[in-house]
Amino acid sequence: EDKVVQSPLSLVVHEGDTVTLNCSYEVTNFRSLLWYKQEKKAPTFLFMLTSSGIEKKSGRLSSILDKKELSSILNITATQTGDSAIYLCAVGTFNNAGNMLTFGGGTRLMVKP
Amino acid sequence: DTEVTQTPKHLVMGMTNKKSLKCEQHMGHRAMYWYKQKAKKPPELMFVYSYEKLSINESVPSRFSPECPNSSLLNLHLHALQPEDSALYLCASSQRDRDSAGYTFGSGTRLTVV
Repeated sequence: EDKVVQSPLSLVVHEGDTVTLNCSYEVTNFRSLLWYKQEKKAPTFLFMLTSSGIEKKSGRLSSILDKKELSSILNITATQTGDSAIYLCAVGTFNNAGNMLTFGGGTRLMVKP
Repeated sequence: DTEVTQTPKHLVMGMTNKKSLKCEQHMGHRAMYWYKQKAKKPPELMFVYSYEKLSINESVPSRFSPECPNSSLLNLHLHALQPEDSALYLCASSQRDRDSAGYTFGSGTRLTVV
């Protein structure tokens, strides 16, 4: 059974801090690893990673995939209160039914002023 | 058009009602999905349609009935729901082929069963 685990479960930091969120996986037929940010509505896409060792960056957020270690990290530098959200990691796999997505349990980030 | 559109955004229904959730995409994606998300939990897969055929049903109760009338539309028919079915229902779509790895989510329907 495909499995995605995120850590920590929750995190409280102060504005300006840097945080690192972790995602590890055990899946069959890996295709991609995706990071989402979720506030009160549907998940918002952040990054999709398919190649190991290549960092993706968007403003203060960056992410990298390590296929050897079956893991990924999401870094947020100079955190702001608007970064408070649940961050979801999902791993895409491919089988006869198509592209499947297995979610981790999420990391709840709270950024205090 | 790079969006998945879900309607309605909010729905309140009684346990004896029949209602439907709708999902539409015009990206040519041939795989479409329904997910259910309870508060403080990650999305859970309910159904997968591949080329308009139901390919996965994750042991979902029969009070949820999916339908894929064509390659752009996905419906979820609801009947005799329970209060514990209250959740955010998310639709997603993706390419069907092996070389594509991206997903697009709709904004969701927040369902409350009273």
